[in-house]
Amino acid sequence: DTAVSQTPKYLVTQMGNDKSIKCEQNLGHDTMYWYKQDSKKFLKIMFSYNNKELIINETVPNRFSPKSPDKAHLNLHINSLELGDSAVYFCASSQLSGTNTDTQYFGPGTRLTVL
Amino acid sequence: GNSVTQMEGPVTLSEEAFLTINCTYTATGYPSLFWYVQYPGEGLQLLLKATKADDKGSNKGFEATYRKETTSFHLEKGSVQVSDSAVYFCALMENYGQNFVFGPGTRLSVLP
Repeated sequence: DTAVSQTPKYLVTQMGNDKSIKCEQNLGHDTMYWYKQDSKKFLKIMFSYNNKELIINETVPNRFSPKSPDKAHLNLHINSLELGDSAVYFCASSQLSGTNTDTQYFGPGTRLTVL
Repeated sequence: GNSVTQMEGPVTLSEEAFLTINCTYTATGYPSLFWYVQYPGEGLQLLLKATKADDKGSNKGFEATYRKETTSFHLEKGSVQVSDSAVYFCALMENYGQNFVFGPGTRLSVLP
């Protein structure tokens, strides 16, 4: 039973296209995140959602838009893809229980290549 | 703002060598501290964590102690194995998960 799953695992597409990456968690967590990992392995948080509300929105281009149909899913939609969008995108989830001890659980990643 | 600094890699060791990966942080409050590990081609997995000063996190032979006075959370292992080859990320979290910051990662290669 995969705790946090992402699809697709690999995504190769042309510049200018629109694509989506899906994420699902079966942990019952109330918060989900999207991270971008560049070629040097640097991780940058992009978004997080808590009970369908956006609580972090880093300075990412507005071509990126998170969509959360329910608290178990947080999909990432990207419009007008650019070469610089090539990276590995990780979904994660956690339970905000009111303490400072929450762990984030990561999906396996989606490697996006823009040609 | 909050930040996490790690020693630059890559770190290359022989099997059974002692490992230290340094991590220091800057935070406005009292964060929880984490080490995550990323094996080749996989996502990040929690390795260990500590939630308050002087706590020691440990797992799979790895240890790290939360040092508030030096704002550090160095990762150590007494005897590394080839299977420990991975990228290790130090991270902090405060404000009830609304502020989760990762360090740049340190790549470890263990040679047989």
